[in-house]
Amino acid sequence: AQSVTQLDSQVPVFEEAPVELRCNYSSSVSVYLFWYVQYPNQGLQLLLKYLSGSTLVKGINGFEAEFNKSQTSFHLRKPSVHISDTAEYFCAVRASGGYNKLIFGAGTRLAVHP
Amino acid sequence: EPEVTQTPSHQVTQMGQEVILRCVPISNHLYFYWYRQILGQKVEFLVSFYNNEISEKSEIFDDQFSVERPDGSNFTLKIRSTKLEDSAMYFCASSAGGGGTDTQYFGPGTRLTVL
Repeated sequence: AQSVTQLDSQVPVFEEAPVELRCNYSSSVSVYLFWYVQYPNQGLQLLLKYLSGSTLVKGINGFEAEFNKSQTSFHLRKPSVHISDTAEYFCAVRASGGYNKLIFGAGTRLAVHP
Repeated sequence: EPEVTQTPSHQVTQMGQEVILRCVPISNHLYFYWYRQILGQKVEFLVSFYNNEISEKSEIFDDQFSVERPDGSNFTLKIRSTKLEDSAMYFCASSAGGGGTDTQYFGPGTRLTVL
């Protein structure tokens, strides 16, 4: 079975500051890793995903994440945030062995202040 | 850009009533999913559906729940006799393929409130 822990329920940050949203996972099998974002009154939108290869993954809106197998982490980063980045961010895993359900973390609410 | 749509955006019902939540997946997708998020809790997988049958379901998805693809475009989730604890945001998703690398595209959700 897989599980995902997002260590921060809320992250306040000032505009143009860097941000890191933390995600750790546990799994007995190989997994694929995802970050989704949910803007107010919208659905979950894929930000980026790690399937294989380079451990540094770049996504939309200037976000990137690094897969660290030894630390079982997949932290999301952005060097300079904008007000428009205010949203809920979800880390998720999916087992690589033919199972298609996503297992989500509890989410991190990013609040960007001017 | 194609997107998943869901109706209604908010559904209020009395305990014991049946509800049907509707979703229109992306048109060329073959795999369909329902997830839910109880307020303050994680997004949880309910069920996946492919080729007109359930391919996987969670322990949450008991006999009170059913899914159907009644025509070529809609995908529905029915709760036969709603309970207070069914109050949640329900998300529909679809993907072109069913493999681990296939991206699931989510709708905006239906907020179900059971009174």
